[in-house]
Amino acid sequence: DAGITQSPRHKVTETGTPVTLRCHQTENHRYMYWYRQDPGHGLRLIHYSYGVKDTDKGEVSDGYSVSRSKTEDFLLTLESATSSQTSVYFCAITQNLYTEAFFGQGTRLTVV
Amino acid sequence: RKEVEQDPGPFNVPEGATVAFNCTYSNSASQSFFWYRQDCRKEPKLLMSVYSSGNEDGRFTAQLNRASQYISLLIRDSKLSDSATYLCVPSAGGSYIPTFGRGTSLIVHP
Repeated sequence: DAGITQSPRHKVTETGTPVTLRCHQTENHRYMYWYRQDPGHGLRLIHYSYGVKDTDKGEVSDGYSVSRSKTEDFLLTLESATSSQTSVYFCAITQNLYTEAFFGQGTRLTVV
Repeated sequence: RKEVEQDPGPFNVPEGATVAFNCTYSNSASQSFFWYRQDCRKEPKLLMSVYSSGNEDGRFTAQLNRASQYISLLIRDSKLSDSATYLCVPSAGGSYIPTFGRGTSLIVHP
């Protein structure tokens, strides 16, 4: 299995609090992605990174920010969590835009 | 038009059946294709890669039709353990970020 881990795996937080999810890879892949998955919606791209300090928005980026200060780490931050951000969050990595994606095990976030 | 379109199903089949899913894609520059399998509440995992006209791996066969811009996945002799959601993802390089749709749900029953 590819070396990609997400932390935490589960989190319950209150509305209005900041939350940071971490994705760590040991594959030295250039691209990293954050997706959310909700019933009936499949995987939706939040943000992605194409290198250290190089990031861009996906289709559902409102309310989220990201940072990538090292090749191996990609952080997703919810500045002020809302109940609509309750979801399962997956991190993925690809070597380039032609190759397959490897996913982390997911983070289940509940905002109450 | 969506980048990827799949029938969400569910496809309900008995053990031993042969089942096929189609996936249509809109980006004609797509060069590589991937089928992922996602079990309930788990992360997607690569099932098969397709770089030319098709690929075969045991009971699974993927066929690519570039002219019509679709790729199919055929599963023969279905097992209970094949129950999952199957996601089709084309890859075109350049600045094209791979898109995951909802996939196709397969339920194999005894």
